[in-house]
Amino acid sequence: AQSVAQPEDQVNVAEGNPLTVKCTYSVSGNPYLFWYVQYPNRGLQFLLKYITGDNLVKGSYGFEAEFNKSQTSFHLKKPSALVSDSALYFCAVRENTGGFKTIFGAGTRLFVKA
Amino acid sequence: GAVVSQHPSRVICKSGTSVKIECRSLDFQATTMFWYRQFPKQSLMLMATSNEGSKATYEQGVEKDKFLINHASLTLSTLTVTSAHPEDSSFYICSARDELRVDDNQPQHFGDGTRLSIL
Repeated sequence: AQSVAQPEDQVNVAEGNPLTVKCTYSVSGNPYLFWYVQYPNRGLQFLLKYITGDNLVKGSYGFEAEFNKSQTSFHLKKPSALVSDSALYFCAVRENTGGFKTIFGAGTRLFVKA
Repeated sequence: GAVVSQHPSRVICKSGTSVKIECRSLDFQATTMFWYRQFPKQSLMLMATSNEGSKATYEQGVEKDKFLINHASLTLSTLTVTSAHPEDSSFYICSARDELRVDDNQPQHFGDGTRLSIL
C-alpha cells in the first residue's frame, strides 16, 4: 500500500532564510508524488509534482522539491522564505494501480517570521 | 486554469438536518470526483470516489447511507450528509481531475471546501 509521511508537524523559519519541508514515501513501483499548499478555510492548491525525469522539480511560487529514490524522500524547498508562504503543506502520493486515488500526508504547518 | 467550485462555503444547521454540498468543475469535464473530510489540524481523509453515471466508491469505514453521493453529470457531484449530528461537523473538500488532458498525471483541482457545523 502507498503511504506518505511528513515527520514535522510544524516548521519555523525566518523570512529570507531557506526552508525545507520533509516528506518520505512508500510505494510499490514508480512513485507519482505531489506537493500541495492549503491556506485557512480553503481547498488545496497544487505546487509541483514528480512523475519521472529530473530529480529536482520546480514548481509554483518559487518552490522546488528534490526526489531522492535511495532515501525515498521528496522534500519541499525554497531558497528564500516569505511571510506569505506561511500555510499548511501536504505531500501526496498517487496510487499507480490504474486509479487516481491520492494519499495525503498529515501536513506540515509552516510559519515564516518577519 | 481548471477551477472547481464548491458550494456552500459554510453551513450551520440543527442536528437531524440533511445538508447537500455541491462540487462543480467549471471549465472541464470530470467523470471522477473525490470527496474528502478534514478534521482540525489533520490531513485530508478520502471519503469516497464519485463516478459519473454509476455508484460512488466508498472508503472503508465511511457510511454509505450517511454520506450520499450523486454524480449526475460530467461537471457536478453532490454530497448529502443525511440526518447530520454534531460529530459530522467538519471541513469537507471535493476535488476533480481534468480528464481530457493528454497528460493523465495532472494533479487534482480542489474546491475551497465547505465548513459544516451541526448544532
